[in-house]
Amino acid sequence: DGGITQSPKYLFRKEGQNVTLSCEQNLNHDAMYWYRQDPGQGLRLIYYSQIVNDFQKGDIAEGYSVSREKKESFPLTVTSAQKNPTAFYLCASSAGILTGNEKLFFGSGTQLSVL
Amino acid sequence: GESVGLHLPTLSVQEGDNSIINCAYSNSASDYFIWYKQESGKGPQFIIDIRSNMDKRQGQRVTVLLNKTVKHLSLQIAATQPGDSAVYFCAEIMRNTGKLIFGQGTTLQVKP
Repeated sequence: DGGITQSPKYLFRKEGQNVTLSCEQNLNHDAMYWYRQDPGQGLRLIYYSQIVNDFQKGDIAEGYSVSREKKESFPLTVTSAQKNPTAFYLCASSAGILTGNEKLFFGSGTQLSVL
Repeated sequence: GESVGLHLPTLSVQEGDNSIINCAYSNSASDYFIWYKQESGKGPQFIIDIRSNMDKRQGQRVTVLLNKTVKHLSLQIAATQPGDSAVYFCAEIMRNTGKLIFGQGTTLQVKP
């Protein structure tokens, strides 16, 4: 998976609980992304970070939070405010801003389900 | 609004036949397009890309065609193999946004 490690592979969330998905990359990439994938649908951007200590909301950021304290790490927290969290979550990274000269590399994903 | 879509959710082909997966996009400001392959339970993998100043690009057994006039993108897979079974996504990058927008995906099923 191109040096991007997501953990855990499967995660279960109880009602009202916050859970954190891990994403680590050893590609020395500046930019990192979180996508959500629902069955039969494309990927939707949750949050992205183009540099350490900075991140921006994507198209569906409500109910999620992120941090980017280290270049290699971009954890995603699914908060209790996210009422429909069951989905496949994909982390990705790129060397720089996506302009057509950069490739996006994906991790192997975390399947989050609600108990 | 801005969207990237695929014409068919599922495509079933016989092993050895050629496959054609289609994608329509709506944003004329998009200048870079990518095809990804996603196997079950895994993250998408890059297959091939094309810039808006090109209309065709070839890789190993794959060809991407871009028709900017009708905003249409296609992925052709020659001599389809069982290992090609996966979901295929097209994606676009709009000029100066740095964001990738994905289509809904087409599931390719290869029959032996």
